[in-house]
Amino acid sequence: DTAVSQTPKYLVTQMGNDKSIKCEQNLGHDTMYWYKQDSKKFLKIMFSYNNKELIINETVPNRFSPKSPDKAHLNLHINSLELGDSAVYFCASSQVSWLAGGSSYNEQFFGPGTRLTVL
Amino acid sequence: ELKVEQNPLFLSMQEGKNYTIYCNYSTTSDRLYWYRQDPGKSLESLFVLLSNGAVKQEGRLMASLDTKARLSTLHITAAVHDLSATYFCAVDETPGTYKYIFGTGTRLKVLA
Repeated sequence: DTAVSQTPKYLVTQMGNDKSIKCEQNLGHDTMYWYKQDSKKFLKIMFSYNNKELIINETVPNRFSPKSPDKAHLNLHINSLELGDSAVYFCASSQVSWLAGGSSYNEQFFGPGTRLTVL
Repeated sequence: ELKVEQNPLFLSMQEGKNYTIYCNYSTTSDRLYWYRQDPGKSLESLFVLLSNGAVKQEGRLMASLDTKARLSTLHITAAVHDLSATYFCAVDETPGTYKYIFGTGTRLKVLA
């Protein structure tokens, strides 16, 4: 059973096109994320949704628009693709875990990634 | 802005040797996460460190957290080839904000 899944795994497209990446998690988590990993393996958060509400929106171009139809899904739509958008995009999910004493932690589980290549 | 720095960025070591990867961060967070990424694969959670002085061990890997020094270490004991991967530490910028900042990653190669 796949915990966090993404489609497609590979996406090759021309500059200027519009594309979408889909993400689904079956872990029952409340929070989902999109990350971008560049060619140097640097991983940067793009968006975070908690209970379908956008809570983190990093300095990402307006061409990127996330959508969360329900808690189990977080899709990423990209308009007018540019060369610099080429990267691996990871979806992740997490659920706050509470410890005795009231402290908490938030371990993330990642999808397999979508390698986007813009030509 | 929170900075999370790892060193070294690249590490090539012989099987059987010990080494330590360092993760320095600039926030007061007491939650630190370590992840492993195999080439072309996703990230897998290794350790969650929850307080100052926390130490966790799994096989040949041991992670520790010193929140006063804002430093976490990932120690590798008697490395084996299967440990070759990229290791990331991550910190939440402010607890409860769901904004995680990942370190630069340490690409480890264990030579047979």
